[in-house]
Amino acid sequence: GQNIDQPTEMTATEGAIVQINCTYQTSGFNGLFWYQQHAGEAPTFLSYNVLDGLEEKGRFSSFLSRSKGYSYLLLKELQMKDSASYLCAVRASGGSYIPTFGRGTSLIVHP
Amino acid sequence: DAGITQSPRHKVTETGTPVTLRCHQTENHRYMYWYRQDPGHGLRLIHYSYGVKDTDKGEVSDGYSVSRSKTEDFLLTLESATSSQTSVYFCAISESLQGAALATDTQYFGPGTRLTVL
Repeated sequence: GQNIDQPTEMTATEGAIVQINCTYQTSGFNGLFWYQQHAGEAPTFLSYNVLDGLEEKGRFSSFLSRSKGYSYLLLKELQMKDSASYLCAVRASGGSYIPTFGRGTSLIVHP
Repeated sequence: DAGITQSPRHKVTETGTPVTLRCHQTENHRYMYWYRQDPGHGLRLIHYSYGVKDTDKGEVSDGYSVSRSKTEDFLLTLESATSSQTSVYFCAISESLQGAALATDTQYFGPGTRLTVL
């Protein structure tokens, strides 16, 4: 099985930088996804990491360390609209290849 | 946005009644999934399909059945609804599931159905 851990809730100030961590334990690793989900809406895809290192996409970056079972999502120049839940999902090698989701981190951005 | 719709968007029903939720896609993607999302649990996989008439169970499949008679439609049925099945249900699609670094493996989600079982 898989174990995925994220902080339940984080708060930050508009204009600041926030890092949302995700740690995982899995028997074989085959990729990690980050999704954003605004209240009452569907999750939307943000990023995908399968190799170690940083993937940058505008204000959002995602980092992966496979040896440490660790990823983070970095949000820069925070805006009020970034208030949302951020879901980490890990795919194990073998089996169905369907990602397993963590419980999500609720980010609240204050003015 | 991926062409995924879910119906109904909201439903209130009574314990013991059957309920069917529909997911419709216009992307011709091979893979379709049903998840439920509950506070404190995140998204949990109920069933998924890897082609017409090809389905398999997920993590929380008890009390649910699915059918896929056409590529574009994936139905989720609660055979006899219980209060524990009150949840938000999301359908998702993906073009493939290769287990590699392919953009086509990314899942895209429908708008969700909020189901309340009284």
